[in-house]
Amino acid sequence: NAGVTQTPKFRVLKTGQSMTLLCAQDMNHEYMYWYRQDPGMGLRLIHYSVGEGTTAKGEVPDGYNVSRLKKQNFLLGLESAAPSQTSVYFCASSLSYSNQPQHFGDGTRLSIL
Amino acid sequence: SQQGEEDPQALSIQEGENATMNCSYKTSINNLQWYRQNSGRGLVHLILIRSNEREKHSGRLRVTLDTSKKSSSLLITASRAADTASYFCATDATDSWGKLQFGAGTQVVVTP
Repeated sequence: NAGVTQTPKFRVLKTGQSMTLLCAQDMNHEYMYWYRQDPGMGLRLIHYSVGEGTTAKGEVPDGYNVSRLKKQNFLLGLESAAPSQTSVYFCASSLSYSNQPQHFGDGTRLSIL
Repeated sequence: SQQGEEDPQALSIQEGENATMNCSYKTSINNLQWYRQNSGRGLVHLILIRSNEREKHSGRLRVTLDTSKKSSSLLITASRAADTASYFCATDATDSWGKLQFGAGTQVVVTP
């Protein structure tokens, strides 16, 4: 039972390059989330999805795009990476929108040079 | 913006001692959740306490919630070296539709 799986685990990019982070969950959860974690700060919500085919902006959406074509997958894209996007990215999922815990992957550590 | 703020930022204790950390928040909530993060890993859910609950237990963990003071505490009893981790509170505000807001965390080190 894998839970939430994120790929890749590590990546180094040059400024201006693009990439896609993949999140997959096997718990049949409706809700999925992308966060970033920076030193000394808590997690900040980038984008989230309340079901297949739907996405919405979180607290810090600029510079990122997302897609949820299949219920089990949630993709986070960086079209033109910037050094300010160096961070650890976490994906999470939950069964419903409230009074439910979120289940997290182990993160993608992304460095932008 | 961070809704929850943990105190202290860091805590160092010896095995067998109790560890207490606090979380303060600003708005009305549906629930408050505590998570643990081991170094290099994702967050793991510990306890969810709803706004109409005052105390909740799970094993060696005890969480209290005081909605009048907008604060919560997490107590870890008889700590072990394996409890070394960062602990985060997260609030599910009444107007946020399940979007959690996390504090900056308390870093706990338990020495043998």
